[in-house]
Amino acid sequence: GENVEQHPSTLSVQEGDSAVIKCTYSDSASNYFPWYKQELGKGPQLIIDIRSNVGEKKDQRIAVTLNKTAKHFSLHITETQPEDSAVYFCAASKANFGNEKLTFGTGTRLTIIP
Amino acid sequence: EPEVTQTPSHQVTQMGQEVILRCVPISNHLYFYWYRQILGQKVEFLVSFYNNEISEKSEIFDDQFSVERPDGSNFTLKIRSTKLEDSAMYFCASTLAGDEQYFGPGTRLTVT
Repeated sequence: GENVEQHPSTLSVQEGDSAVIKCTYSDSASNYFPWYKQELGKGPQLIIDIRSNVGEKKDQRIAVTLNKTAKHFSLHITETQPEDSAVYFCAASKANFGNEKLTFGTGTRLTIIP
Repeated sequence: EPEVTQTPSHQVTQMGQEVILRCVPISNHLYFYWYRQILGQKVEFLVSFYNNEISEKSEIFDDQFSVERPDGSNFTLKIRSTKLEDSAMYFCASTLAGDEQYFGPGTRLTVT
């Protein structure tokens, strides 16, 4: 089955700087790659996603890139703010008519230092 | 904005007891999921459900687990005889017909 690796496990960044989190996946049939933000005591919140027919997607300060050949994708957060502090999970699935499970990475605890 | 809701937020039960975790998915969504997250670990898939039947289940989802959509709004996860290792956060998720899964706030299950 699919295996998703995520690095780093912890990341501390000065406020205003950029943060990058990287994931690799094993199943070349995976075609959908969402990123979730999880704050303490809450459920994962979908923040951005990318599909395999696209190399990059941006939404304000957040961007995701995908390299299908290398089977890796990354989350980029620019101009970080204290409210960006959370645990971030990448995931992969073979999304097909909505009934495909997500396989999650191990998470990155991002701390923004004021 | 529509959201997935879950009850209770925290459930404490004794080993061997049955528990039912409840979820109300987003109203027009068609596909439903349960995931769990053991403290400090990653989120793991348990089961997916569509058209009143299980689409896929993981090896974690053994005979002690069952899911049901008893009416048009609720989606439940039952654990028949809880074990200590069932202690975790359980998340319900739903999606309309594609890939964007929206998660509820979770139920923390503590088995003593």
